[in-house]
Amino acid sequence: KAGVTQTPRYLIKTRGQQVTLSCSPISGHRSVSWYQQTPGQGLQFLFEYFSETQRNKGNFPGRFSGRQFSNSRSEMNVSTLELGDSALYLCASSSGQTYGTQYFGPGTRLLVL
Amino acid sequence: QQPVQSPQAMILREGEDAVINCSSSKALYSVHWYRQKHGEAPVFLMILLKGGEQKGHDKISASFNEKKQQSSLYLTASQLSYSGTYFCGTEDTGNQFYFGTGTSLTVIP
Repeated sequence: KAGVTQTPRYLIKTRGQQVTLSCSPISGHRSVSWYQQTPGQGLQFLFEYFSETQRNKGNFPGRFSGRQFSNSRSEMNVSTLELGDSALYLCASSSGQTYGTQYFGPGTRLLVL
Repeated sequence: QQPVQSPQAMILREGEDAVINCSSSKALYSVHWYRQKHGEAPVFLMILLKGGEQKGHDKISASFNEKKQQSSLYLTASQLSYSGTYFCGTEDTGNQFYFGTGTSLTVIP
């Protein structure tokens, strides 16, 4: 089976712009979670989608949003980018209705200038 | 709600043992352990479900004390390949998932 893929791998944006990141889970997996990783804050949970519904949400401002499509692919959008949004954004997919084994993608490294 | 891990960092010589602890303030349904090497994505190690079980494979094992909301990861006879940052992930009974603060492990010859 192909692993979790994320596109793009690297991205440079300027403050105020918006960005959309994409995640394709492992075939058959219905749950996709998004995380932000920074040296100072570690791995922070953004949100989780299961069968096109947002099931859980972390403590991030409304500028961070996501969605999941019927084929389980997920997108994450960040509007009005701030310098502090520079981070590695990881998505992880899992198969079941509870948090089973999460398989991580390689991440998208976002730099906001 | 983010679980706290200890120690924050450690350096081991090959062959030494180590214990990494993960402590949560919430009632837990499961604990996950992941290892992340520099520049790579986290990789799953194991899951422990509530029931106080202990799991392990090869020389890495873990325990879960649901009453204390704590889990420990045990690394036996460490190898150079064990170097990386270890994260616990906790799923609480409210179905919320959080990664721990991380423990950086460096194994030296």
